[in-house]
Amino acid sequence: DQQVKQNSPSLSVQEGRISILNCDYTNSMFDYFLWYKKYPAEGPTFLISISSIKDKNEDGRFTVFLNKSAKHLSLHIVPSQPGDSAVYFCAASPLTGGNTGKLIFGQGTTLQVKP
Amino acid sequence: DARVTQTPRDKVTEMGQEVTMRCQPILGHNTVFWYRQTMMQGLELLAYFRNRAPLDDSGMPKDRFSAEMPDATLATLKIQPSEPRDSAVYFCASGLAGSPQPQHFGDGTRLSIL
Repeated sequence: DQQVKQNSPSLSVQEGRISILNCDYTNSMFDYFLWYKKYPAEGPTFLISISSIKDKNEDGRFTVFLNKSAKHLSLHIVPSQPGDSAVYFCAASPLTGGNTGKLIFGQGTTLQVKP
Repeated sequence: DARVTQTPRDKVTEMGQEVTMRCQPILGHNTVFWYRQTMMQGLELLAYFRNRAPLDDSGMPKDRFSAEMPDATLATLKIQPSEPRDSAVYFCASGLAGSPQPQHFGDGTRLSIL
């Protein structure tokens, strides 16, 4: 049972354009969401997060949008750069009821930004 | 810059052998996680510890996998006996519970069971 789903295994975007990566979740107890970025032969690195009390969080070129009613979040990268080419993982966690720190990850989306 | 350290980086061994993977969490972090990445499943949580005590190991095949934290600076994941289907990249991550702190990952152990 995949509680966090990234339905697009891959995405290709031209440099300078917007990249939009999507993520859906099924568990309504999730109230904290994160995006991690992973380069080959390295571990995932934290990119940006959002809690359920917000619908948007921005950090430089990266913005995460959360639509709680649709149980959907997205990561926007503007403008996209070749160095953004990596695998992006969406993750979710229930904060309430005790913060265990346990994250449930999606399967990842491979982003390729073409020069 | 504080990092999670995992050893070995790569391990190739024959089916039936014991495999031990080690992780040194970031100093001061009280929660340690073990994940496995496969092509089909993405990042699966195998087990995690809080203050060295196991909190959840429901993601781990119990018959052959075991996870321990002998002390606050070392976490181990053992597979005995190993099988070809265990071939994957195993990641350790550490974090600080009690606040929405992101987990920090090591660079993984790439395991190949022949």
